[in-house]
Amino acid sequence: LAKTTQPISMDSYEGQEVNITCSHNNIATNDYITWYQQFPSQGPRFIIQGYKTKVTNEVASLFIPADRKSSTLSLPRVSLSDTAVYYCLVRNSSASKIIFGSGTRLSIRP
Amino acid sequence: EAQVTQNPRYLITVTGKKLTVTCSQNMNHEYMSWYRQDPGLGLRQIYYSMNVEVTDKGDVPEGYKVSRKEKRNFPLILESPSPNQTSLYFCASSFGTGGGNQPQHFGDGTRLSIL
Repeated sequence: LAKTTQPISMDSYEGQEVNITCSHNNIATNDYITWYQQFPSQGPRFIIQGYKTKVTNEVASLFIPADRKSSTLSLPRVSLSDTAVYYCLVRNSSASKIIFGSGTRLSIRP
Repeated sequence: EAQVTQNPRYLITVTGKKLTVTCSQNMNHEYMSWYRQDPGLGLRQIYYSMNVEVTDKGDVPEGYKVSRKEKRNFPLILESPSPNQTSLYFCASSFGTGGGNQPQHFGDGTRLSIL
């Protein structure tokens, strides 16, 4: 299981674009990168997943450089409701055990 | 609606009194898993199951049991609960073996207090 490193916390303001970077230096060839969002006392919710380059969906974009040793979750025009903890996971397609890191606590201010 | 359902959502009980937290999913997922979440320790995997009658230990299995007799259900059993098992518990499911390319779907959580 690849170890991931994220900032413990980040602050931003409504309407701003927020980028959260996850470092995974020992990522393996078959590893995928997945981001989850968790609100207090709720289960994590899948946001986005990628393997390489860029992935975009209705809520976020995921940027993965060519060496795949890091990834950046981009949240466009955040609102107060984006205040949550964001987790980056790196696992291969056959890995059954799951380890969540500490995540990044994102606080959005008016 | 696709969902993972846990029951009960809240439970206060006493040390040593056996309890079961149920988890059911309606997505025909092969993989199911239990986590506990404690302040400062994040989410830790307790047990997981890749299919019916196939279960394996996660990072913190001590004091817990699970069973997977049916594909949709994955109950978590605390045979003799102790106060250090007071925590917020989450059940999750996904397609396949739970590998990195299969996102997990989480339940709403069960808050257990063991006195």
